[in-house]
Amino acid sequence: NAGVTQTPKFRILKIGQSMTLQCAQDMNHNYMYWYRQDPGMGLKLIYYSVGAGITDKGEVPNGYNVSRSTTEDFPLRLELAAPSQTSVYFCASKLSDRVNSPDTQYFGPGTRLTVL
Amino acid sequence: AQKVTQAQTEISVVEKEDVTLDCVYETRDTTYYLFWYKQPPSGELVFLIRRNSFDEQNEISGRYSWNFQKSTSSFNFTITASQVVDSAVYFCALSEPLSDYKLSFGAGTTVTVRA
Repeated sequence: NAGVTQTPKFRILKIGQSMTLQCAQDMNHNYMYWYRQDPGMGLKLIYYSVGAGITDKGEVPNGYNVSRSTTEDFPLRLELAAPSQTSVYFCASKLSDRVNSPDTQYFGPGTRLTVL
Repeated sequence: AQKVTQAQTEISVVEKEDVTLDCVYETRDTTYYLFWYKQPPSGELVFLIRRNSFDEQNEISGRYSWNFQKSTSSFNFTITASQVVDSAVYFCALSEPLSDYKLSFGAGTTVTVRA
């Protein structure tokens, strides 16, 4: 049981390049999330998914896209990378939200992305 | 508007001192959940505790304790007899029905414990 895994751990992109950050979980969790963490800041939600085939925007979705074709995987796509997207990206998952009782989110190790 | 405020940006203590991290939140929901996560220098986010709004009992787990005060909308975290391994960034987060239980994070407090 690996929990939430993310690849790559580090990446440097040039302005205008694109890439996909991978996230996978083996806990059969329905909910998955992508966050970015800028220096000295808390986490901001980019996109989330409540199940395979269902995604929705978070607080800061511009410049990103997601898909959720399986329960396990939730890749984050950056098109036309910009320096403002330099950040640490975290993926998280949780089982579900039972009535009035949300589950705890568990996080992956993060991907440090630099756009030059 | 910021839903979770962690007013202390950085705290530095000497080993064995106690350290208290403040967390103040804002919500219109009567039922909500509060969390603390730890981010050590290695960068991962580690879940520490989850507390629901209808349980105001304080909680202790080893050297960690949490003081939930609904009247002042605060959920403070104390590390007793701090150790160098406690050096990390600590995040408080709020989960509420109005936001579909998504997490709203504070900006975090960096704790440095010096030997």
